[in-house]
Amino acid sequence: DAKTTQPNSMESNEEEPVHLPCNHSTISGTDYIHWYRQLPSQGPEYVIHGLTSNVNNRMASLAIAEDRKSSTLILHRATLRDAAVYYCILSRNQGGSEKLVFGKGTKLTVNP
Amino acid sequence: GAVVSQHPSWVICKSGTSVKIECRSLDFQATTMFWYRQFPKQSLMLMATSNEGSKATYEQGVEKDKFLINHASLTLSTLTVTSAHPEDSSFYICSARRTGGLGNTQYFGPGTRLTVL
Repeated sequence: DAKTTQPNSMESNEEEPVHLPCNHSTISGTDYIHWYRQLPSQGPEYVIHGLTSNVNNRMASLAIAEDRKSSTLILHRATLRDAAVYYCILSRNQGGSEKLVFGKGTKLTVNP
Repeated sequence: GAVVSQHPSWVICKSGTSVKIECRSLDFQATTMFWYRQFPKQSLMLMATSNEGSKATYEQGVEKDKFLINHASLTLSTLTVTSAHPEDSSFYICSARRTGGLGNTQYFGPGTRLTVL
């Protein structure tokens, strides 16, 4: 499985934008980039995913580098509820055997 | 977003007993579900892939006879921890894969906290 590298932790202030980086230099052409977040004692929550183009949804934006070796999750206005561990994960769809392998993620702290 | 439920949300049992955890996709059909385990302050570890109507695929190091998985319908997968011991105490999380659109997306349940005394 292709690996991702994320900072262990990041801090942000409430109502400011947050850019969470992820490096995935060994990504292959068929790997999707997924972002999930997890609050303590809860299951991970889907945030966003993409393949090549930048993606936007109501939660966040995903900016994917042109060479696809890195990506950035953008929270446009951080709130206290955004404090969580954010996971950047690559998945490869190979005949239905796709699976997600979680790394350590980035723990985001949002200051009031 | 899609909804996945788990039952029970927590369970306490005596050593040697078996515990069944249910995972349901509430608003979509899932031919594939996954079971994860998470120990305190660690990341999620994939245990097995559950395919509707066929045998589960276990990750290396996961005992298939201890963690029995049944995926009898497109909306329900169950994980049974047989002869549970204190070292099996953990947070068990399932996910269901929804196909279609841009790639496939996994949606996770809220987790089940298992404590074995």
